Amino acid sequence: QKEVEQNSGPLSVPEGAIASLNCTYSDRGSQSFFWYRQYSGKSPELIMSIYSNGDKEDGRFTAQLNKASQYVSLLIRDSQPSDSATYLCAVTVLIQGAQKLVFGQGTRLTINP
Amino acid sequence: DGGITQSPKYLFRKEGQNVTLSCEQNLNHDAMYWYRQDPGQGLRLIYYSQIVNDFQKGDIAEGYSVSREKKESFPLTVTSAQKNPTAFYLCASSKRGAVNPGELFFGEGSRLTVL
Repeated sequence: QKEVEQNSGPLSVPEGAIASLNCTYSDRGSQSFFWYRQYSGKSPELIMSIYSNGDKEDGRFTAQLNKASQYVSLLIRDSQPSDSATYLCAVTVLIQGAQKLVFGQGTRLTINP
Repeated sequence: DGGITQSPKYLFRKEGQNVTLSCEQNLNHDAMYWYRQDPGQGLRLIYYSQIVNDFQKGDIAEGYSVSREKKESFPLTVTSAQKNPTAFYLCASSKRGAVNPGELFFGEGSRLTVL
């Protein structure tokens, strides 16, 4: 089982709708959770971090964490064509006494005008 | 403006040649990382460093080498021992440190192609 799993997509969402991206992880000891956005040919940029159960909102983005079910999700409200990108989920995993950041393979999101 | 600068952005290499990718940061971060990304895949950790003169292997260190002589600089050498070096290479830094990595700041990346 992969440590961090995402549906690779592509996920197509009409403009103005809510895009929902999901990520599951295997290590119950994971403490930190991140969403990165990566435009084609560019480097990733951090858009959300979440450390405790529940929802965290930042503008049109909401991160949701459920440690009991071991999943973290990202909701994008009022989706815009500029949100079209690959979204990478990253989770810290305890390996040999240290928290190590592990990335999922990413979900490609396309917002259709 | 603070940030991470990688060079070159594009690099072509003949088989059997070593190449060095530069990474410089002025964010005053202690931890620095090198990742590799292949098409349609996530990021895989090559090497990381928490402090000057110290670095650790990541998941795919074979065929690569690094140095950390200055806090600002963390160059990566792709050696001829790396059998499939064509990839997008990303340098990153973190304020919180490699033992408890927090938010990563990435450079623009270096795209290496082996001819």
